[in-house]
Amino acid sequence: GQQVMQIPQYQHVQEGEDFTTYCNSSTTLSNIQWYKQRPGGHPVFLIQLVKSGEVKKQKRLTFQFGEAKKNSSLHITATQTTDVGTYFCAGGTIYNQGGKLIFGQGTELSVKP
Amino acid sequence: KAGVTQTPRYLIKTRGQQVTLSCSPISGHRSVSWYQQTPGQGLQFLFEYFSETQRNKGNFPGRFSGRQFSNSRSEMNVSTLELGDSALYLCASSSGLRAESNEKLFFGSGTQLSVL
Repeated sequence: GQQVMQIPQYQHVQEGEDFTTYCNSSTTLSNIQWYKQRPGGHPVFLIQLVKSGEVKKQKRLTFQFGEAKKNSSLHITATQTTDVGTYFCAGGTIYNQGGKLIFGQGTELSVKP
Repeated sequence: KAGVTQTPRYLIKTRGQQVTLSCSPISGHRSVSWYQQTPGQGLQFLFEYFSETQRNKGNFPGRFSGRQFSNSRSEMNVSTLELGDSALYLCASSSGLRAESNEKLFFGSGTQLSVL
């Protein structure tokens, strides 16, 4: 079935280091969304990318959507302890493939001060 | 504007029992989706309801069912509970005006279900 694979599963960084998580889909996506879940919390929407090759920035966070609309990445520059949490990508499947939002397994980020 | 409300927050059941979880979406939202979250498995899609109709369904056994009421509130039921059903069950709402796959989701705090 349709899958969205996300790597790495865990990432431990020193505060100030950069962090990147990657998502890959087995099929072309209509859009990719990113969510952040703080420890003990619930997923919170960060951003949505729709266009092929799209790049969006939110302060220290940079989101990219691949040219083929099958992969995406989230890059955090100079991590801070407030960045701790699990980052999920969610790929939107095309309507004739079910029209669902499929979540990756998430990347758990820990930041050592 | 109130967020997505899920009740109860915690639930402990034993194998073989059944359970009903409740979700009230953001006012004006007509789509409610349910997800199961377990460590290392991410969020697994259960089903989506829109205007009291199941619009989409994941790959879960028939023991998992749901419904939506005319006020958009939704309930999820799990019958004949198994140990493996222990998980955080998250409800998410969206306006429902576009296909579920294209809308951002607003999640509730979830119901933590433990099956003993």
